[in-house]
Amino acid sequence: EVQLLESGGDLVQPGGSLRLSCAASGFTFSSYAMNWVRQAPGKGLEWVSGISGAGSRTYYANSVKGRFTVSRDESNNTLYLHMNSLRAEDTAVYYCAKGRFIDVVEEYFDPWGQGTLVTVSS
Amino acid sequence: SYVLTQPPSVSAAPGQTARITCEGNNIGSKSVHWYHQRAGQAPVLVLYDDSDRPSGIPERFSGSNSGNTATLTISRVEDGDEADYYCQVWDGTSAQAVFGGGTQLTVL
Repeated sequence: EVQLLESGGDLVQPGGSLRLSCAASGFTFSSYAMNWVRQAPGKGLEWVSGISGAGSRTYYANSVKGRFTVSRDESNNTLYLHMNSLRAEDTAVYYCAKGRFIDVVEEYFDPWGQGTLVTVSS
Repeated sequence: SYVLTQPPSVSAAPGQTARITCEGNNIGSKSVHWYHQRAGQAPVLVLYDDSDRPSGIPERFSGSNSGNTATLTISRVEDGDEADYYCQVWDGTSAQAVFGGGTQLTVL
């Protein structure tokens, strides 16, 4: 069974930094792209970033480009999201989700983790 | 950037059929995926590539996609179908995934 477990969410001040992690199990991690999707309180889903298997290609939403960096560690089956220059509008539950292919193309997300809450506030 | 538009809400009585639309410019040329999200839970994929069902999703869930509109159809609606539903595509031009705004399905 595929399992995804996010961690690292916290309360952080505007302008601060945070690193989220997603521990994956139950599948060959290096063979699949991985993604981050967020959901602001009471709002809809917003794709944030994707990374190909083995990490050769990365993709970002315009809203986070230049501030967030996605990475992965194949040796311990973990996906990361490094978030800098955080803003109030980055407040959301962040989900990691497995992709359909090794690269982030024609992507859908299945399954999803349970999410980790990031709150940006002073 | 590519925009997907969904109605904010749809309602249906148990046993009836619910249809949720997702509009986008020439969306028929793209593969559309659908998710449901029950209150307080993570989203779950219910259809991919317009009309294919992942394992475990009942046949009551079906989909179509043509022109500027994709449609998720839920037949014989049950109380457990009450959730928010999101459509999603991959926009190759911008190399980004795009979600619709979501539709709240209320079972009357």
